[in-house]
Amino acid sequence: GQNIDQPTEMTATEGAIVQINCTYQTSGFNGLFWYQQHAGEAPTFLSYNVLDGLEEKGRFSSFLSRSKGYSYLLLKELQMKDSASYLCAVRDSDYKLSFGAGTTVTVRA
Amino acid sequence: TAGITQAPTSQILAAGRSMTQRCTQDMRHNAMYWYRQDLGLGLRLIHYSNTAGTTGKGEVPDGYSVSRANTDDFPLTLASAVPSQTSVYFCASSPGGPSGANVLTFGAGSRLTVL
Repeated sequence: GQNIDQPTEMTATEGAIVQINCTYQTSGFNGLFWYQQHAGEAPTFLSYNVLDGLEEKGRFSSFLSRSKGYSYLLLKELQMKDSASYLCAVRDSDYKLSFGAGTTVTVRA
Repeated sequence: TAGITQAPTSQILAAGRSMTQRCTQDMRHNAMYWYRQDLGLGLRLIHYSNTAGTTGKGEVPDGYSVSRANTDDFPLTLASAVPSQTSVYFCASSPGGPSGANVLTFGAGSRLTVL
């Protein structure tokens, strides 16, 4: 099974940078995902890491260390529309995806 | 627009009654999933199907059943609803298979209240 931990809430100012950490324990690892979910909406895919290192996609970057069971999502140049929940998810050796409880990010003007 | 359609979008159900949530995708994805999302607990996998004709149990399968008669449809049935099944339900699909990211695409969700 999976045990995925991430902070419950974070608050940051518009234009700033926020880093959301995720730690996991898994019986089999086959990739780590980050999803964004706005209130009342479905989750949408942000990033995918299967090898160690940093994946950059515009204002969003995701990092993975498999040996430490650790990932982070970095949001740069925060905008008001970035206020949402960010879900860390781990795919196991059976290709099923397990999610953390999510981190709610609030961006203040 | 290609994607996943869930119905109904919301429902209030008396305890003990049965209901089926429908999920249809038009992306020809092999794998489909049902999750429930509860405050503080995140998304939890109920059942999944890696390909038409096969299904598997997720983290919280009790009280739910699924079928996968064809590629496009993956209905979720509650045979006798209980208040603890009050939740938001998401259907999702992915291309499936061992290679690539296999990103999940989610439906819009369905809010169920069991009284």
